[in-house]
Amino acid sequence: AQTVTQSQPEMSVQEAETVTLSCTYDTSESDYYLFWYKQPPSRQMILVIRQEAYKQQNATENRFSVNFQKAAKSFSLKISDSQLGDAAMYFCAPNNDMRFGAGTRLTVKP
Amino acid sequence: EAQVTQNPRYLITVTGKKLTVTCSQNMNHEYMSWYRQDPGLGLRQIYYSMNVEVTDKGDVPEGYKVSRKEKRNFPLILESPSPNQTSLYFCASGQAWPGELFFGEGSRLTVL
Repeated sequence: AQTVTQSQPEMSVQEAETVTLSCTYDTSESDYYLFWYKQPPSRQMILVIRQEAYKQQNATENRFSVNFQKAAKSFSLKISDSQLGDAAMYFCAPNNDMRFGAGTRLTVKP
Repeated sequence: EAQVTQNPRYLITVTGKKLTVTCSQNMNHEYMSWYRQDPGLGLRQIYYSMNVEVTDKGDVPEGYKVSRKEKRNFPLILESPSPNQTSLYFCASGQAWPGELFFGEGSRLTVL
């Protein structure tokens, strides 16, 4: 089975600072999609950002951006100007089969 | 309002007592799937359905059944629940595959 690794079970960031969450994966496909989802304490999963593997330009969505390294099979999420509302579990799903990583719990300190 | 609705949200049951977790989406999505979430393991796919009458096993299908008789509904059936099926369950749907998934609010199931 293809694997997804989020090597940081927990991360902490000071409010207004920047934090990067890492994700690596294994795939034999050449064209695929990559996703980051956020799960706040309310449990509802919501899409944060999406990247198409064929695009060289990294996706950005307001304060969220990705660093996609296709050859290295790495897909990290950068959150700039962190806010208290960013505190959540973050899951990456870097493939067409929608397997998720184990998640990274992000704490934002005021 | 576009949404994925799961019921029940919370359930405590006993070993062997059949139960069904319903899932309904009002977005006319072709794709639907079920995941279970366990600490340290992330979300693991149980079953998925690319369209009506077509279902396939995910990574952890043992002990579960599904059906997709209508586009909007995708119930998850536990014929004989066991304690190792205690988990948080999510239903999700998507317009196209692969693409963004829309999730329900989750169903917390405890099997005693």
